[in-house]
Amino acid sequence: AQSVTQLGSHVSVSEGALVLLRCNYSSSVPPYLFWYVQYPNQGLQLLLKYTSAATLVKGINGFEAEFKKSETSFHLTKPSAHMSDAAEYFCAVSNTDKLIFGTGTRLQVFP
Amino acid sequence: DAGVIQSPRHEVTEMGQEVTLRCKPISGHNSLFWYRQTMMRGLELLIYFNNNVPIDDSGMPEDRFSAKMPNASFSTLKIQPSEPRDSAVYFCASSLGEGYTEAFFGQGTRLTVV
Repeated sequence: AQSVTQLGSHVSVSEGALVLLRCNYSSSVPPYLFWYVQYPNQGLQLLLKYTSAATLVKGINGFEAEFKKSETSFHLTKPSAHMSDAAEYFCAVSNTDKLIFGTGTRLQVFP
Repeated sequence: DAGVIQSPRHEVTEMGQEVTLRCKPISGHNSLFWYRQTMMRGLELLIYFNNNVPIDDSGMPEDRFSAKMPNASFSTLKIQPSEPRDSAVYFCASSLGEGYTEAFFGQGTRLTVV
């Protein structure tokens, strides 16, 4: 069965600091991987997706993620955090028709 | 396209009452998903449809929950009778139906059962 594990339910960074949100996946076949963001009282919005093309995937709002098969990881990074990045971030995996989500990581950004 | 549309945005109901949540997917999308989000359990996939046919309902918590998709542009999730533990945010999402394409989410329905 497919699954994703997000390490750290809460991450706090200072504005301008590096953002690193961790995601490890489990899949018996090459996976499709996604990162979504959820702002308060909103639905989920796609940040980026990996579909077996380039291993480094660039998304919206300056985020990117690198697929590392050897580490079964798909960590999300952003070089410089902005206050508006404060939200909950979800990693998800799919190789059929449905998305399976991780438990989420809440990102706090301090001035 | 206006995106995935859910109604109502908020629902407060008394325990034992029937609740119906509605969803209009993005036109042309072949798959529709119902998720439930709670603090304790995170995002849970309840059921999904492909071409209006239920494919996997293993996430539906119990017989009190039922979902239908009578046509490509409408789906409902019904809870009867509702219980306080059903309080959550329910999301509907749609996608083109192939595994590598992303799902587009509605704004959610916040259900409170008192």
